[in-house]
Amino acid sequence: AQSVTQPDIHITVSEGASLELRCNYSYGATPYLFWYVQSPGQGLQLLLKYFSGDTLVQGIKGFEAEFKRSQSSFNLRKPSVHWSDAAEYFCAVAPMEYGNKLVFGAGTILRVKS
Amino acid sequence: EPEVTQTPSHQVTQMGQEVILRCVPISNHLYFYWYRQILGQKVEFLVSFYNNEISEKSEIFDDQFSVERPDGSNFTLKIRSTKLEDSAMYFCASSEFGEQFFGPGTRLTVL
Repeated sequence: AQSVTQPDIHITVSEGASLELRCNYSYGATPYLFWYVQSPGQGLQLLLKYFSGDTLVQGIKGFEAEFKRSQSSFNLRKPSVHWSDAAEYFCAVAPMEYGNKLVFGAGTILRVKS
Repeated sequence: EPEVTQTPSHQVTQMGQEVILRCVPISNHLYFYWYRQILGQKVEFLVSFYNNEISEKSEIFDDQFSVERPDGSNFTLKIRSTKLEDSAMYFCASSEFGEQFFGPGTRLTVL
């Protein structure tokens, strides 16, 4: 069965510091990979996605993620965190076919200290 | 920019009552989904819908749940007899290809 692991439940970083959120997945083949962000009481906003091609993908709000097939990982990074980045971040996977369900990780809550 | 909309934003109901959660997917999308998120937990898949029928459903999606696309624009989730444990945020999503677009969610509170 597909699964997604986000090993860090909470992360606290200082404003201006770099950020890396970890995501590992278990799936028989390379899936579609996604990162979503959720602010308190809000819906899910797509930050970025990997379907194929360049393994370093750029997203919105200055985020990027790198797909590493050998490690089954899709870690999210940002070089300089802003206070407005405080939110919960979810990694998700789906099989490489249209119309398939997303399987989400448990999420990582990011706190930003000034 | 087109977006998925959901109504109501918050629904409070008594245990045993029926609720219908409504969604308007993005107009040219073909695939529709419902997910739920119990407070403090991860987002869980409930059901996917394509070509006017359910394409996949999770073990959560038992006989108390049903989905419908009553017209060309709405997509609904019905819970026939709500239980306390149905209290959650329910998200609708739609997709044309691989990327799913989520609505803002309906918070369902069962008392």
